[in-house]
Amino acid sequence: AQTVTQSQPEMSVQEAETVTLSCTYDTSESNYYLFWYKQPPSRQMILVIRQEAYKQQNATENRFSVNFQKAAKSFSLKISDSQLGDTAMYFCAFRASDAGNMLTFGGGTRLMVKP
Amino acid sequence: DSGVTQTPKHLITATGQRVTLRCSPRSGDLSVYWYQQSLDQGLQFLIQYYNGEERAKGNILERFSAQQFPDLHSELNLSSLELGDSALYFCASSVATAGQSPYGYTFGSGTRLTVV
Repeated sequence: AQTVTQSQPEMSVQEAETVTLSCTYDTSESNYYLFWYKQPPSRQMILVIRQEAYKQQNATENRFSVNFQKAAKSFSLKISDSQLGDTAMYFCAFRASDAGNMLTFGGGTRLMVKP
Repeated sequence: DSGVTQTPKHLITATGQRVTLRCSPRSGDLSVYWYQQSLDQGLQFLIQYYNGEERAKGNILERFSAQQFPDLHSELNLSSLELGDSALYFCASSVATAGQSPYGYTFGSGTRLTVV
């Protein structure tokens, strides 16, 4: 079974600054996908970024980027130029590539962006 | 609008009652997933259907059941409700099943169930 751990229950950052959210996972799978989801106060689950484990290059989506360390089983999210709209819960999630498409989520990190 | 429709958005019911949550997947998606999110917790996988058939089951209680209909919409039935069943229930959909899509799901906006 896979487990996903987010060790930072809450974080805060000043507007326009950079923040990194941590995520570690445990799996015996060799092929898998990793995701970061954002859940704003509206409670909608929004996909922020994804990473295929077989790709060494870290994924980037505008102000969002990841630091994927496969050997360390680490998958952190960096948010650059933080904006007030980034205030949300952020969930890290894991999916094995051949295991029913089920997502395993971490417990989440609550991020507050301060003006 | 994500394309995944969940109804109702809010539901308040008493302990011991039964409720049905409905989900219509995004057009073209064959897989439907149900997740439970208790207060300020991560999402717990309940069950997956693919083209009408159950494909994977997670920590779903025996009091809960689901099905996917020929038009691909899905229903999650919760019976003998307890206070602890109060949660946000998400439905999500994806194009295919295991190994065919590297993408995450598309989530609906959830149904907030309050058991009193």
